[in-house]
Formats: sequence, C-alpha cells, structure tokens
Amino acid sequence: AQRVTQPEKLLSVFKGAPVELKCNYSYSGSPELFWYVQYSRQRLQLLLRHISRESIKGFTADLNKGETSFHLKKPFAQEEDSAMYYCALGTQETSGSRLTFGEGTQLTVNP
Amino acid sequence: GAVVSQHPSRVICKSGTSVKIECRSLDFQATTMFWYRQFPKKSLMLMATSNEGSKATYEQGVEKDKFLINHASLTLSTLTVTSAHPEDSSFYICSARAYGRGRSGELFFGEGSRLTVL
Repeated sequence: AQRVTQPEKLLSVFKGAPVELKCNYSYSGSPELFWYVQYSRQRLQLLLRHISRESIKGFTADLNKGETSFHLKKPFAQEEDSAMYYCALGTQETSGSRLTFGEGTQLTVNP
Repeated sequence: GAVVSQHPSRVICKSGTSVKIECRSLDFQATTMFWYRQFPKKSLMLMATSNEGSKATYEQGVEKDKFLINHASLTLSTLTVTSAHPEDSSFYICSARAYGRGRSGELFFGEGSRLTVL
C-alpha cells in the first residue's frame, strides 16, 4: 500500500530563515514524488516533481530512496511562501497519475 | 498553465437530494480525470479515476452507486452525489493531465466544489 507522511501539520519560520518541510513515503515499487502548494484561496498547483530535479521559487527537493524521503527545502524563506504544502506519491505504473497525498504542512513565514 | 474548471464552487442541498458537480478541461483534452475528496484540515483522498468513454475506476471503500461518475466527452467529467446526506458534506476536487503545447503530462487541479448537505 502507498502512504505519505508529513509529520508537521504546522511550521512557522521567520523571513530569511531556512525551511524544511518533511515528507516520508511508503511504497514497494518505483515511486514518483511531487510537492504541491496551495496558497490562500487558490487551487492546488504543482511546485516540484522529483524527476525534473529543478528548483522552483527557490525550493528544492531530493528523493532519497534509502530513507524513503522527499523533503522540501528552501535556504531563505519569504513571506509569500506562506501556504499549505502537500507531498504526493504517484507510481511509474500509473504514470504518476493516481496520487496519494500527505496530510499537508501549513507553512507560515513571519516578517 | 492549463485550466481545469469546476462548477458549482459551492452548493447547499437538502438531505436526500442528488447533486451534480462538473469538471471541465478548458484548453486541453483529458481522456482521464481524477476526483478527490478533502475533509477539513485533512489530506486529499482519491475517490475515482474517470475514463472518457468507459466506466470509472473507484478506489477501495468508495461507493460507486453513491458517487456516480460520467466522463462523456474529452473535456467534461461529472460527479453526482446521489441521495446526499450530511456525512457527504465535503470539498470535492477534480484534476486532469495536460499534454501538448509544452505540457508534459502535469496534473492540473480544479478550484474545488464545496458541498454542504443540510
């Protein structure tokens, strides 16, 4: 069975501080990992996916298969980063379409 | 990015009535759409995969007779909550994958539909 765990429901940091949102997954096959973000009163949108190995809005995430983790990091948080962040797991077998979401982490960046 | 639109965004109905929620891909064709349900302060739970021209595939524990899904065209999927009860009150979100025009199969989400059953 697939499972995604985001241990922190709430995370609060100050502007300019580093931030790390944790995500661990459980899946025996080939995983595809994603981070989605939902800003206040907006729809869910893709932030990152591990296969792209890109940095979006200063965020990066590395898939660590040994630790089954896909933590989201940003060296210097900005106030506009305040949002709900969801880690999601897809599978290569379903081309990453059927996603299992974590419960989300609400990030607040204080001035 | 591609646009997925849901309608209505909010609906309030009486217990026992049926409610239909539409999900449209506005600038791309989607052979597959996905319906999620989100409880307050909880994660999104995949309910079913909607396949154009064929039956939907439901996740374990989701009642197919309760949540009817119809994907009649390449741009429209509908979710009908039949004989709704208060416990069906929730936030329903659809998503679809977009290809072409530089899109690489990214999933796009609708804005969600909040159902309140009185």
